[in-house]
Amino acid sequence: GESVGLHLPTLSVQEGDNSIINCAYSNSASDYFIWYKQESGKGPQFIIDIRSNMDKRQGQRVTVLLNKTVKHLSLQIAATQPGDSAVYFCAENNAGGTSYGKLTFGQGTILTVHP
Amino acid sequence: DTEVTQTPKHLVMGMTNKKSLKCEQHMGHRAMYWYKQKAKKPPELMFVYSYEKLSINESVPSRFSPECPNSSLLNLHLHALQPEDSALYLCASSQVQGVITDTQYFGPGTRLTVL
Repeated sequence: GESVGLHLPTLSVQEGDNSIINCAYSNSASDYFIWYKQESGKGPQFIIDIRSNMDKRQGQRVTVLLNKTVKHLSLQIAATQPGDSAVYFCAENNAGGTSYGKLTFGQGTILTVHP
Repeated sequence: DTEVTQTPKHLVMGMTNKKSLKCEQHMGHRAMYWYKQKAKKPPELMFVYSYEKLSINESVPSRFSPECPNSSLLNLHLHALQPEDSALYLCASSQVQGVITDTQYFGPGTRLTVL
């Protein structure tokens, strides 16, 4: 079946560095992608999303890049802070044209930021 | 306001018990979701409701019974669970806009332990 996966399960960075988290997807019909941050004991928190008709979207300190040619998604975090330490999940929507979503999550990357 | 609330935060139940998990949102979202998340794993979709009607059941065992009594509430009724059903149960909601899929916002989850 279709799946979303991550290249690196863990990422350790120093405070102030930029972080890049990668994600590969295999469903070419997926039209919507989301990055979530999940801290210990909490639910996933929306960070940023991108639709398949775009290749880049920027938020506050975060940028998502979508490369449909190689089916690759990345999350860039600028000036990473200790509060950014969490598990980051990419998710793809493959609900096939319905208005509700059907998200498939990647395995997650643990980001650790050292002061 | 993008808040989804879930009660209880923690639940311990025996295999013969009947219990219910509750989820509430007041964002006017007409799609609501139940996910199951095991430790160190991504969330897995269980059920999707759209306009209070069950749209997706991801082959979930009948010991899990969802209910959507109105557009703001989503319940998950539990009966005769097994220890392997112990997990974090997450509720999410999203807007419904034609065929455009919108962002899913998650609640904090209910940590369920089955003894």
